Amino acid sequence: AQTVTQSQPEMSVQEAETVTLSCTYDTSESNYYLFWYKQPPSRQMILVIRQEAYKQQNATENRFSVNFQKAAKSFSLKISDSQLGDTAMYFCAFINNAGNMLTFGGGTRLMVKP
Amino acid sequence: ETGVTQTPRHLVMGMTNKKSLKCEQHLGHNAMYWYKQSAKKPLELMFVYNFKEQTENNSVPSRFSPECPNSSHLFLHLHTLQPEDSALYLCASSQDGAQGANYGYTFGSGTRLTVV
Repeated sequence: AQTVTQSQPEMSVQEAETVTLSCTYDTSESNYYLFWYKQPPSRQMILVIRQEAYKQQNATENRFSVNFQKAAKSFSLKISDSQLGDTAMYFCAFINNAGNMLTFGGGTRLMVKP
Repeated sequence: ETGVTQTPRHLVMGMTNKKSLKCEQHLGHNAMYWYKQSAKKPLELMFVYNFKEQTENNSVPSRFSPECPNSSHLFLHLHTLQPEDSALYLCASSQDGAQGANYGYTFGSGTRLTVV
């Protein structure tokens, strides 16, 4: 079974600064996908960024980028130029190649301060 | 609008009540999921349906009964719940199999359930 661990329950960052959220996972599979989801107070889970394990290049989506270290089973999210709208819960998630079970970490609550 | 709609948004029910949660997706997906999100616990996968067939039941108590009449609709029937069942119940959908893996799941906004 796969496990996903987010070791930072809460973080805060000043507006316009950069923040990095940590995630580690455990799996015996070689092909899989990793995701970061954002859950604002509206409760809707929004996909922020995805990474394919067979790709060495780190994924980037505008102000969001990841640092994927496959050997270390680490998948951190970097948010640049933080905005007030980035305030939310952030969840790291893992899925295997068969796609039948998306497993989440415990989440990190991010507060962006003005 | 994400394409996955859940109703009701909030629900308060007594322990002897029977109620149902509804989920509907208009994305042409073939797989649908129920997750439970409790305070201070990771999201827990409850049920998985692929092409209307239940393929996963994650040791969920029988007081939760899912129903998937077609690939676009998913229900969660609730009866004789306990206060510890109070949580946010999230529905999600995806393409089946490898497509679901590749693009992740699309989630609804959830139903906040309170059992009194």
